[in-house]
Amino acid sequence: DAEITQSPRHKITETGRQVTLACHQTWNHNNMFWYRQDLGHGLRLIHYSYGVQDTNKGEVSDGYSVSRSNTEDLPLTLESAASSQTSVYFCASSETNQETQYFGPGTRLLVL
Amino acid sequence: AQKITQTQPGMFVQEKEAVTLDCTYDTSDPSYGLFWYKQPSSGEMIFLIYQGSYDQQNATEGRYSLNFQKARKSANLVISASQLGDSAMYFCAMTLRFKLIFGTGTRLQVFP
Repeated sequence: DAEITQSPRHKITETGRQVTLACHQTWNHNNMFWYRQDLGHGLRLIHYSYGVQDTNKGEVSDGYSVSRSNTEDLPLTLESAASSQTSVYFCASSETNQETQYFGPGTRLLVL
Repeated sequence: AQKITQTQPGMFVQEKEAVTLDCTYDTSDPSYGLFWYKQPSSGEMIFLIYQGSYDQQNATEGRYSLNFQKARKSANLVISASQLGDSAMYFCAMTLRFKLIFGTGTRLQVFP
């Protein structure tokens, strides 16, 4: 069955370290998204991509970067982790010109 | 600015009763989509229902229906015949050019 996976599911890191969260989908969706979820804020968009080599900044992109070298993967990198980036991170994907997004299981990140 | 507002931080409903979760939105874009997602305590985001801004009829998916009132900019979720397994966080969201904007969520508790 087609799916969307995230790894790791849980991560503890130290401030200043570089961290990469993986997102992999097998639906062949062109659109991929990264969100963070914090209490009182719902989910907020970090970065998104409409296809290979396309990346765009979302609402809360400072301190994060993404790259899209193939259809299946959109890794999220925290260049220098900060305690404010402690959060739950969700990856999602959708078909071209379709609005419904399907979410991965999430990654819980703790920055100490 | 585009915004989703969920004014009910928590709701209680008795099993087998119907419940309405409120959602209002704000956008000047004529083309948008409205969604409801469920997040159980396990943390995953589960797509429930979608309504397009040009759809004439209210969307329904099993026990879920979306009460879409365009003039009032509201997109309330109605759950009929509540079940204990419906206890979860519920998020209303809006897409603009395929990007999701979320409300802060409503926690629904179903009691026997």
